[in-house]
Amino acid sequence: KQEVTQIPAALSVPEGENLVLNCSFTDSAIYNLQWFRQDPGKGLTSLLLIQSSQREQTSGRLNASLDKSSGRSTLYIAASQPGDSATYLCAVVLSGGGADGLTFGKGTHLIIQP
Amino acid sequence: NAGVTQTPKFQVLKTGQSMTLQCAQDMNHEYMSWYRQDPGMGLRLIHYSVGAGITDQGEVPNGYNVSRSTTEDFPLRLLSAAPSQTSVYFCASSLQGGYSYGYTFGSGTRLTVV
Repeated sequence: KQEVTQIPAALSVPEGENLVLNCSFTDSAIYNLQWFRQDPGKGLTSLLLIQSSQREQTSGRLNASLDKSSGRSTLYIAASQPGDSATYLCAVVLSGGGADGLTFGKGTHLIIQP
Repeated sequence: NAGVTQTPKFQVLKTGQSMTLQCAQDMNHEYMSWYRQDPGMGLRLIHYSVGAGITDQGEVPNGYNVSRSTTEDFPLRLLSAAPSQTSVYFCASSLQGGYSYGYTFGSGTRLTVV
């Protein structure tokens, strides 16, 4: 069974710092990996989608990388801002049947201190 | 473009009551799914549908029923609510089961069973 782990579970940094969130998965046979953001009491907002054939994706200050063979992905946030405070979730879709849906990690709770 | 719409946003039920959580999408997505989010457990797949008339079970299907009569709607039914079903429920949709375009989530329904 695919398991997704996110480290750290919580992170608090001063505004302006660059930071890295980690995601690892046990089954490297994934079709893609998606990073989400969840604000308290809200739904999930998609940040980046990386296909298994890709190494990275960028959107503004966010950069996500994927190393499928080692079962790892990182989300890099540049020049962090208080508005980046949220829980960040990674999720994978297994190859051979996206009908199994997403397998999620438990998230990294990020606080950016003003 | 409304995306994925869930109703209601909040609901309190008494043990044994029944209710239907509504989910509608206007993106012509074939794939729809339901997740529940619990503290310490992350998001887990309840049921999914790969198209109108086709549904299947996910990781935690017990106590829930679904049907898919149209492409747009995918309701989740609780036939006899139990306190263990207290959770936040998210509906998600995707164009191709998440293969190429990722998933879009609704804003969630917070359900409390007393």
